[in-house]
Amino acid sequence: QSVLTQPPSVSAAPGQKVTISCSGSSSNIGNNYVSWYQQVPGTAPKLLIYENNKRPSGIPDRFSGSKSGTSATLGITGLQTGDEADYYCGTWDNSLSAVVFGGGTKLTVL
Amino acid sequence: QVQLQESGPGLVKPSETLSLTCSVSGGSISTYYWSWIRQPPGKGLEWIGYIYHIGNTNYNPSLKSRVTISVDTSKNQFSLKLTSVTAADTAVYYCAREIGDGSNTNWFEPWGQGTLVTVSS
Repeated sequence: QSVLTQPPSVSAAPGQKVTISCSGSSSNIGNNYVSWYQQVPGTAPKLLIYENNKRPSGIPDRFSGSKSGTSATLGITGLQTGDEADYYCGTWDNSLSAVVFGGGTKLTVL
Repeated sequence: QVQLQESGPGLVKPSETLSLTCSVSGGSISTYYWSWIRQPPGKGLEWIGYIYHIGNTNYNPSLKSRVTISVDTSKNQFSLKLTSVTAADTAVYYCAREIGDGSNTNWFEPWGQGTLVTVSS
């Protein structure tokens, strides 16, 4: 059972928008920055968002991140079939003194 | 740009020690934090720990008693040792550069391609 809670799956049609939530507590999301990763099956995770809402170079602005209190959200607009992947949130947990990840959310583009 | 590559045995016997090395190319290991992360088949990500280039380490408490991460700056490599392995340690092991301050703010970029380690007799 993961420290951060994500929905197991989300789905939407091509061109639509989807959001993926990541719920935590004051010991992790509430007081630290959140990052998001995309993992296409069979490949390594790839950084999408860091420090809650910043995009590395090369990541399209269709991907966005936000944080409010003890929850964070990844948004993806203009969905493409190539966005089908697993998405993970991650942050530092002050009580555990460790990096913690969500359980992952599988995105299906119908 | 910086690239990471894991290497080591793909099969380890129960109770033995898992040893992996991550080779860093395209940049110096003498900055940033360097991490190991694993992913059991069909499951999520688990952070194992990091090492700072000067040798400071921080391990996941759930693995701390069995984990050692070391760095060899002369070879631009860092390594993972996990002792007394069981089938539960079967996973894809990734090395990654950890950017940030090692706690409050951190993110992983880039990642190695990962290497599957199976624990079985």
